Amino acid sequence: GAGVSQSPRYKVAKRGQDVALRCDPISGHVSLFWYQQALGQGPEFLTYFQNEAQLDKSGLPSDRFFAERPEGSVSTLKIQRTQQEDSAVYLCASSEDRVGTGELFFGEGSRLTVL
Amino acid sequence: KNQVEQSPQSLIILEGKNCTLQCNYTVSPFSNLRWYKQDTGRGPVSLTIMTFSENTKSNGRYTATLDADTKQSSLHITASQLSDSASYICVVVTNAGKSTFGDGTTLTVKP
Repeated sequence: GAGVSQSPRYKVAKRGQDVALRCDPISGHVSLFWYQQALGQGPEFLTYFQNEAQLDKSGLPSDRFFAERPEGSVSTLKIQRTQQEDSAVYLCASSEDRVGTGELFFGEGSRLTVL
Repeated sequence: KNQVEQSPQSLIILEGKNCTLQCNYTVSPFSNLRWYKQDTGRGPVSLTIMTFSENTKSNGRYTATLDADTKQSSLHITASQLSDSASYICVVVTNAGKSTFGDGTTLTVKP
């Protein structure tokens, strides 16, 4: 595709609900990153994929967070039993670079609000 | 905790004026430093990328500088426009590809 596409753009969930956020990276991009951005702050790293392999998940805040990229293209970030502190914008970025030092292209983000 | 510090936190300037945003970092080992522009409700968009050997890079009215010895970078915006109102984020990338983001400077350009 022309750019990184994320859906939904906005999601409101009741505390305790599960949510799934989707990222469609630029076609052919090897690396895919998920970030969490709280209001007024910079993005914080969550996890990194190189093709279908999840090489780094050190930023996932708890075992309620799970990400996958089964075919090395589309990725899904799943949050189980959502809590109010999960409210944030979740950004996805992709890069054609294998290591992650190349330019990152970001999606518009998915804004999650947990009530 | 934050290894990338940006200043000022926010800035208001009049249209047509210049401004300079600062970024200090302690992240290592250094691969490159990037400046992103993030409009409200949108994803960050890359403005410049500088490696260790580059000390200045321009992109239109945006000029970034890098002093790798003092671990400081600046982003200078010339002849500001209303559309420059956004958050400007400094990002330092390590050799392993790990990106550390600053909290950004929120710039407001007023007519």
